[in-house]
Formats: sequence, C-alpha cells, structure tokens
Amino acid sequence: AQKVTQAQTEISVVEKEDVTLDCVYETRDTTYYLFWYKQPPSGELVFLIRRNSFDEQNEISGRYSWNFQKSTSSFNFTITASQVVDSAVYFCALVVHRDDKIIFGKGTRLHILP
Amino acid sequence: EPEVTQTPSHQVTQMGQEVILRCVPISNHLYFYWYRQILGQKVEFLVSFYNNEISEKSEIFDDQFSVERPDGSNFTLKIRSTKLEDSAMYFCAGQGLAAQETQYFGPGTRLLVL
Repeated sequence: AQKVTQAQTEISVVEKEDVTLDCVYETRDTTYYLFWYKQPPSGELVFLIRRNSFDEQNEISGRYSWNFQKSTSSFNFTITASQVVDSAVYFCALVVHRDDKIIFGKGTRLHILP
Repeated sequence: EPEVTQTPSHQVTQMGQEVILRCVPISNHLYFYWYRQILGQKVEFLVSFYNNEISEKSEIFDDQFSVERPDGSNFTLKIRSTKLEDSAMYFCAGQGLAAQETQYFGPGTRLLVL
C-alpha cells in the first residue's frame, strides 16, 4: 500500500527564516511521482512541483527548493527567506505508475509570523 | 492560463437532499477526478473518470455518489441523499493526455449539510 507521512502538523517561523517541510513516502512500486501542493487560507490547491522516481535531481525555483532522496524515501521542501504570504497548508503527495489517484499526506500548516 | 472552475463555491443543504457539484475542467484534459477534504483533514480521493466511465473509486464513493460528464464539458458529482458527514470541501481535478501527468485542481466547493 502507498502512504505519505508528513510528521510536522504545524510549524511557526518568523519571517525571513528558512523552513523545511518533511515528507516521507512508502511504496513498493519502482515508478512513481511525487508532488507538493499548497493550500492557502482561501482553500484552493495550488500545484508546486512534480518529481518522478527516476529523477533524483534536486530542484530550486526561486525561494523554493526540493530535496528528493530515494535512499530515505523522502521528498522535503525548503522555503528560503520565508514571507507571510507563504503561510498555508502544504501537502506532499504520491501517485504510483499503475494507478492515477493522488495519495496525500495529512499536510503541514505553516505559519509565517511578521 | 486555462484553469479548472467549480460551481457553486459554497452550498448549504439539508440532510437527505440531493446536491450536484459542477466542474468545468481544462478543455484538453481527458482524465477527471473528484476528491474531498473534511475540514482540517487531508485530501482524499473519491473517483476517477476517463472515456465517459469510472476508472476507479474509493470506499467513500458509495451508491449515494455518482458522476457524469453530460455534455463533454461539465463534470458533475451528485450526492443523492446527503448525510451530515458529507460536509466537506469537494475538489475537482483534471489531467492531460498522458497518464500520471500532473493533476490540476479547481478551487473547490464547500458543502455544508445541516
């Protein structure tokens, strides 16, 4: 069975600090896809990134970076120089190749304090 | 940039009533999904739909639920006789031509059953 674990339920940091959101996934499939979605207070789900299991290259997009490590089954998300607008719930998610439904983690609620 | 739209944004209904949630996916998407998120909880898969039929459904998606794409654009979720526990945010998502592409979500419909 597939599973996504986000152990951090809630994190609060002061603006401009860096923050890392942890994600650990479980699957026996060798081909899978990992995602991060952002859910701001308005409620919508905003796609941030997709990674396939064959691409372990880390990615940076502005203040956002992602660290994918198959050896530890982790796909962590770092926000550098956080801003108040980054306050949201962040979901890590998994799709396996033989399936098409998204398995979401429980989310991490991030508070960026001014 | 094309986006998924959902109507209504909010719906309040009495227990036992039927509700229809509507979604207009991005025009070139072929795979469609409904997910739900009970307040404060994670996003859960309900059903996937491809080629005018259900391709997969979760345990949540019982006989009270149905989906259809009546006119080739709208994608609807019907709950025949709502229960209190159906209160949740319902998200529609769509995916492009290739399997396991990124799913893009609509803004959600917040359903409250009284």
